[in-house]
Amino acid sequence: ELKVEQNPLFLSMQEGKNYTIYCNYSTTSDRLYWYRQDPGKSLESLFVLLSNGAVKQEGRLMASLDTKARLSTLHITAAVHDLSATYFCAVDGASGTYKYIFGTGTRLKVLA
Amino acid sequence: GAVVSQHPSWVICKSGTSVKIECRSLDFQATTMFWYRQFPKQSLMLMATSNEGSKATYEQGVEKDKFLINHASLTLSTLTVTSAHPEDSSFYICSARSPFIGNYEQYFGPGTRLTVT
Repeated sequence: ELKVEQNPLFLSMQEGKNYTIYCNYSTTSDRLYWYRQDPGKSLESLFVLLSNGAVKQEGRLMASLDTKARLSTLHITAAVHDLSATYFCAVDGASGTYKYIFGTGTRLKVLA
Repeated sequence: GAVVSQHPSWVICKSGTSVKIECRSLDFQATTMFWYRQFPKQSLMLMATSNEGSKATYEQGVEKDKFLINHASLTLSTLTVTSAHPEDSSFYICSARSPFIGNYEQYFGPGTRLTVT
């Protein structure tokens, strides 16, 4: 059974600081997705990572994928309050089905 | 592009009644739609996968007779919660994908919050 784990589960950080969220998964997959969710809202797509070594950046967020280590990271640079949200990674669950298995989520709170 | 809508955005129903949630792909034809459930402060759990014109595939532990899924067209899937109970109260999110757009990714709807009293 594919498992996707994120850590930390909860992160409280000061504005201006850097931090990394980790997403580990238990089986082979070349496709990994990062989403942001605000309270009471659905998912907002952040990054689509489709191959080993993929790195994508948007503003203060940068995501990378290491399929050999089964690890993706979401790095936050110089956090601002507006980044406060819950972040999920998701992995394609099984070849040909395109099902996602979501990580446990990381609740990020950026303190002003 | 790749917009998915859900209706209603929230619904309150009485215990024992049924409620239907619609999921529509507005600007593309979705060969596959997915239904997720999310409880407060938890992750999304996949309930079922539906392909247009065929029966839905339910995940282990999801009661197919309770959560009826119909994918009647390439732009519409419906989830009917039958004989709803308070424990069915949750945030239901659908997603849709097409092999002709994006990179295998799913496009998510805005969600439907169901409260059963």
